[in-house]
Amino acid sequence: ILNVEQSPQSLHVQEGDSTNFTCSFPSSNFYALHWYRWETAKSPEALFVMTLNGDEKKKGRISATLNTKEGYSYLYIKGSQPEDSATYLCALDTGGFKTIFGAGTRLFVKA
Amino acid sequence: EPEVTQTPSHQVTQMGQEVILRCVPISNHLYFYWYRQILGQKVEFLVSFYNNEISEKSEIFDDQFSVERPDGSNFTLKIRSTKLEDSAMYFCASRGTSGGEYNEQFFGPGTRLTVL
Repeated sequence: ILNVEQSPQSLHVQEGDSTNFTCSFPSSNFYALHWYRWETAKSPEALFVMTLNGDEKKKGRISATLNTKEGYSYLYIKGSQPEDSATYLCALDTGGFKTIFGAGTRLFVKA
Repeated sequence: EPEVTQTPSHQVTQMGQEVILRCVPISNHLYFYWYRQILGQKVEFLVSFYNNEISEKSEIFDDQFSVERPDGSNFTLKIRSTKLEDSAMYFCASRGTSGGEYNEQFFGPGTRLTVL
């Protein structure tokens, strides 16, 4: 059974702190890696999709890196703001048609 | 901005009844997906659909489940005889293609299914 692991499970930071989360996946099943931001009562919002080893993507204060050889991806948030509070999901696409989600990292940013 | 829509937002049904969950994917997208999340658990893949047929399905997607794209715009998930354990949030997603690149999936707002 394929498993995608995310750590930490939850994280409490102060406004202005920078933070990062980890997503681990079986490298032999890699096709693409997605990161989503999910706020309560809303649909998951796509942040990044990465397909190549060494990919780095950035959107504003949020960035992500990918290592497909060792099977991990990091998501970084620089200067966290209260509006960054959400659950951050990573999901492994194993071949274009099936996506396995991690349990998510729940981020709380205190003003 | 185009978005995926789902109806209804909340469906309550009796055990053993059939339900149909509806989704309207983004219009030029070609890949369609259904996921579910049971409260407190991970988001789980159910099925993917491309070129008018199922591409891949999970172990959860047994004979009680079916999907259809009846009219070129809607994408439906049918559960024939609902069980209590089918109670979950069901998400539809769609993905396009752009210059041959792999693109992100866009999610709908979900349908909360409650089986009594």
